[in-house]
Amino acid sequence: DIQMTQSPSTLSASVGDRVSITCRASQSVTSWLAWYQQKPGKAPKLLIYKASTLESGVPSRFSGSGSGTEFTLTISSLQPDDFATYYCQQYNSYSFTFGPGTKVDIK
Amino acid sequence: QLVESGGTLVEPGGSLRLSCAASGFTFSNYYMSWIRQAPGRGLEWVSYINPSSRAIYYGGSLKGRFTISRDNAKNSLYLEMNSLRAEDTAIYYCARSVGFSYGRFDYWGQGTLVTVSS
Repeated sequence: DIQMTQSPSTLSASVGDRVSITCRASQSVTSWLAWYQQKPGKAPKLLIYKASTLESGVPSRFSGSGSGTEFTLTISSLQPDDFATYYCQQYNSYSFTFGPGTKVDIK
Repeated sequence: QLVESGGTLVEPGGSLRLSCAASGFTFSNYYMSWIRQAPGRGLEWVSYINPSSRAIYYGGSLKGRFTISRDNAKNSLYLEMNSLRAEDTAIYYCARSVGFSYGRFDYWGQGTLVTVSS
């Protein structure tokens, strides 16, 4: 299975900050990479797919980039609703695997 | 909308069947997946099934203990779990699978909690 890692594991930031989360794959996943947001007690929500395509209804302050083995999720101006845990996930090959998550909390 | 049910406390070695009721989309047109999340832990893809039930894949850690199935007439997805272990304790989500390899998950249920303990 392809192993996914994320950094940092926790990120403390303030409203209005620009934040970036890095996701790395143990082998190339080309562009088949998705990002999800999860809030406590809720199911994950798809934010970005194919590395950089914004899911319908997701605010444009979220963006994704990268290909191969290294990817980045960027929030251009952090909003109160964005404090959550973010997961990357590869779907280039079975079995589909998720990163361990990055928790974004209030500084 | 996806609504899971069937999660409960079960003893090690026991069996359980989870259900997921779908509405608001044409269930019979979509691949569907089960994904689980151990308490305080990350996400693990469990299995998926194609619309006709002819293509089924499982995550590598399950070793034949779980069986996914669906009933398109009832708009329902199922997960039969046998020989349950403590490490199977998790919230189990059903999700709609779309895109390349049907590997991204665009709609999720609220989850159902399975606890394996004596």
